[in-house]
Amino acid sequence: ETGVTQTPRHLVMGMTNKKSLKCEQHLGHNAMYWYKQSAKKPLELMFVYNFKEQTENNSVPSRFSPECPNSSHLFLHLHTLQPEDSALYLCASSQGTGGRQPQHFGDGTRLSIL
Amino acid sequence: DQQVKQNSPSLSVQEGRISILNCDYTNSMFDYFLWYKKYPAEGPTFLISISSIKDKNEDGRFTVFLNKSAKHLSLHIVPSQPGDSAVYFCAASVGGSNYQLIWGAGTKLIIKP
Repeated sequence: ETGVTQTPRHLVMGMTNKKSLKCEQHLGHNAMYWYKQSAKKPLELMFVYNFKEQTENNSVPSRFSPECPNSSHLFLHLHTLQPEDSALYLCASSQGTGGRQPQHFGDGTRLSIL
Repeated sequence: DQQVKQNSPSLSVQEGRISILNCDYTNSMFDYFLWYKKYPAEGPTFLISISSIKDKNEDGRFTVFLNKSAKHLSLHIVPSQPGDSAVYFCAASVGGSNYQLIWGAGTKLIIKP
């Protein structure tokens, strides 16, 4: 398998549930990212990991909890989410974190909060 | 306040003609710009980029133009093909170690046969 793989592709959950999103990259990259994309809005950067270390948390609510056990895997743990958290969640990776490094994206998880 | 703006939510172009997608930015510190393309149910894919030291970069049918004084860039696709129908995102960054891309909201391009 190549590229960036995200699972699940779709997720429906209640506000009291706990679930996790998974991302795996097979590109040998060092940096991984979580983005949120709401309809007709720009992509919002949530978290950045470089060599497994979190280097950025863009004021994301604590109900989103990232985990990066190694440079190839990234998780986003979700708990007590709100309806406004319904969105497309995209994972990306890049070789290094310089702004000039193109990011490679997975196909996203479409999350719906009931 | 959006630092990167794509003011046209959608654009319709005849197959074989030129498609021009526009992007404006407000932060004069941006020195690197990227265009991504996104098909439905897929993640964005990198298309082409340009550094602020250049005013044009070309890759096959795709050319990006940068006008720093106007804080404006555009993506030209010539000739447009049906497979070009997608949402196009403009993104910008400040160089050095800053990794954060600032994204526009996207323009949906529709190529008519």
